[in-house]
Amino acid sequence: KAGVTQTPRYLIKTRGQQVTLSCSPISGHRSVSWYQQTPGQGLQFLFEYFSETQRNKGNFPGRFSGRQFSNSRSEMNVSTLELGDSALYLCASSLERGREYEQYFGPGTRLTVT
Amino acid sequence: GNSVTQMEGPVTLSEEAFLTINCTYTATGYPSLFWYVQYPGEGLQLLLKATKADDKGSNKGFEATYRKETTSFHLEKGSVQVSDSAVYFCALWKAGANNLFFGTGTRLTVIP
Repeated sequence: KAGVTQTPRYLIKTRGQQVTLSCSPISGHRSVSWYQQTPGQGLQFLFEYFSETQRNKGNFPGRFSGRQFSNSRSEMNVSTLELGDSALYLCASSLERGREYEQYFGPGTRLTVT
Repeated sequence: GNSVTQMEGPVTLSEEAFLTINCTYTATGYPSLFWYVQYPGEGLQLLLKATKADDKGSNKGFEATYRKETTSFHLEKGSVQVSDSAVYFCALWKAGANNLFFGTGTRLTVIP
């Protein structure tokens, strides 16, 4: 079974631009979560989607948004990019039915904002 | 609130040395506890887990025991290899929160 895939793997953007990252979960997984990883703040939870609905949201500004499609694929968007948004963005998927804690991570998208 | 405190790194060991990485947590109730490993340039891989008190998670020679009395989940391995060089993250999952809370990570380097 294929793992979680994320595209693109690397991205360079300029301050003020916006960016969209994509995540395809493991087949059969319906929950998708996003995390931001930076050297200063470590791993921080962004949001979680299940059945196209955002169920949980971390403490990030409204510039960070996401969505999930009917096939469980998810995208996250960051508008008006700031230098501090440079990070590795990780997507994770999980099964429901009592196994939602078992999260499988993709390789991440490394975003650099200049 | 929910939080994880992890031993600061980096940790450098010689091959075949014993490894301990300390992890303590703060949470109400009974969280599930995890160790994840991140190799250079990659995402996180689940290394082991424990979902209730006194459970021992184990995988690839690594072990950790869920100690509720000390709110700890220390990672151990009896004999490390160069291939174990990576960053290790302790994490907890609290039902209802629906997300993982991570420690700051500990970088392990094993030298031949």
